[in-house]
Amino acid sequence: DAGVIQSPRHEVTEMGQEVTLRCKPISGHNSLFWYRQTMMRGLELLIYFNNNVPIDDSGMPEDRFSAKMPNASFSTLKIQPSEPRDSAVYFCASSKDEQFFGPGTRLTVL
Amino acid sequence: GDSVTQMEGPVTLSEEAFLTINCTYTATGYPSLFWYVQYPGEGLQLLLKATKADDKGSNKGFEATYRKETTSFHLEKGSVQVSDSAVYFCALRPLGGGSYIPTFGRGTSLIVHP
Repeated sequence: DAGVIQSPRHEVTEMGQEVTLRCKPISGHNSLFWYRQTMMRGLELLIYFNNNVPIDDSGMPEDRFSAKMPNASFSTLKIQPSEPRDSAVYFCASSKDEQFFGPGTRLTVL
Repeated sequence: GDSVTQMEGPVTLSEEAFLTINCTYTATGYPSLFWYVQYPGEGLQLLLKATKADDKGSNKGFEATYRKETTSFHLEKGSVQVSDSAVYFCALRPLGGGSYIPTFGRGTSLIVHP
């Protein structure tokens, strides 16, 4: 198995632009998580899906952030409009038991 | 709610030194416990786990024992290498399976010098 796949690996954009991060979970895993990691705040859970249904989105910072999981093999995290304070590494993880993390997307908003 | 507390880092050691990273938790019931490792520029990887009291998880020379009486899951390694330099996260998963959200500690940075 290729593991959790995320794209792009790096994204540099300007303030106000829309950003879409993509994740392909491991086949057979029924849970998917989006995290954000910064030096200041560490690892933060943004949203959690179980069987493609959003279960807990209390970590989504504000309405500028949205996440979807249209099927079991794909999820997106969208930021619109992006701001410099959104700069971070965003991780997707999937699980059936323990979590498996993707390599992350490093987002820089100028 | 559930919580995980890890020792503050960074932990700085010389090669071949003994390593301990402390982790204590608060949870309802008997959760599963995990250690993850994050190498620079990478995502978190599962290092080891234990699912019940007195279980010992081990991998790559690292060990941790699930201590219910002290609600602890300390990570140890007898002889660290420079390649062990990374950030280590302790985590718990509530008992019950199904829908769950794991709880992570803030991570402990380990720096090993030659």
